[in-house]
Amino acid sequence: KAGVTQTPRYLIKTRGQQVTLSCSPISGHRSVSWYQQTPGQGLQFLFEYFSETQRNKGNFPGRFSGRQFSNSRSEMNVSTLELGDSALYLCASRWTGEGYEQYFGPGTRLTVT
Amino acid sequence: KNQVEQSPQSLIILEGKNCTLQCNYTVSPFSNLRWYKQDTGRGPVSLTIMTFSENTKSNGRYTATLDADTKQSSLHITASQLSDSASYICVVSALAGGGNKLTFGTGTQLKVEL
Repeated sequence: KAGVTQTPRYLIKTRGQQVTLSCSPISGHRSVSWYQQTPGQGLQFLFEYFSETQRNKGNFPGRFSGRQFSNSRSEMNVSTLELGDSALYLCASRWTGEGYEQYFGPGTRLTVT
Repeated sequence: KNQVEQSPQSLIILEGKNCTLQCNYTVSPFSNLRWYKQDTGRGPVSLTIMTFSENTKSNGRYTATLDADTKQSSLHITASQLSDSASYICVVSALAGGGNKLTFGTGTQLKVEL
């Protein structure tokens, strides 16, 4: 079974631009979560989608948004990029709820200049 | 405020030696605690998950312990190998109306040397 895939793997953007990251979960998994990882803050939860609905949300500004499609693929969008948005963005999928194991993708490394 | 603190921040050990990583948390109401291993440039991989009633769980050379009374967990690595070099992240899940909230530690960076 293929693992979680994320595209692109690396991205360089300029301040003020917007970016869209994509995540394809493991086949059959309906829950997709997004995380931001920086050296100083560690992993921080952005949001979780389940059956095309946002189920949980972390403490990030409204510039960070996401969506999930009917095939469970998910996208994350960051508008008006800031230097501090430079990070590794990780996507994780699981079958349904909290009791099931979560599998992470390799991440997208975003650099904002 | 829910918090997870890990120590040490970084650690260097010789191949074949054992080591123990610590995780202290102030998360409530507690649901479960996970340890992840993250290799450089890759996503985290789950090592163990423990609920309130479990106080020890093993996964090969990795053994996690949980003391829910003192809100402490440890990850013990036996007979370390070069491939154990990675970041180890402690994640605590709190019950939160209709779902769970995850709080992540900042990780312990382990380097195993010859």
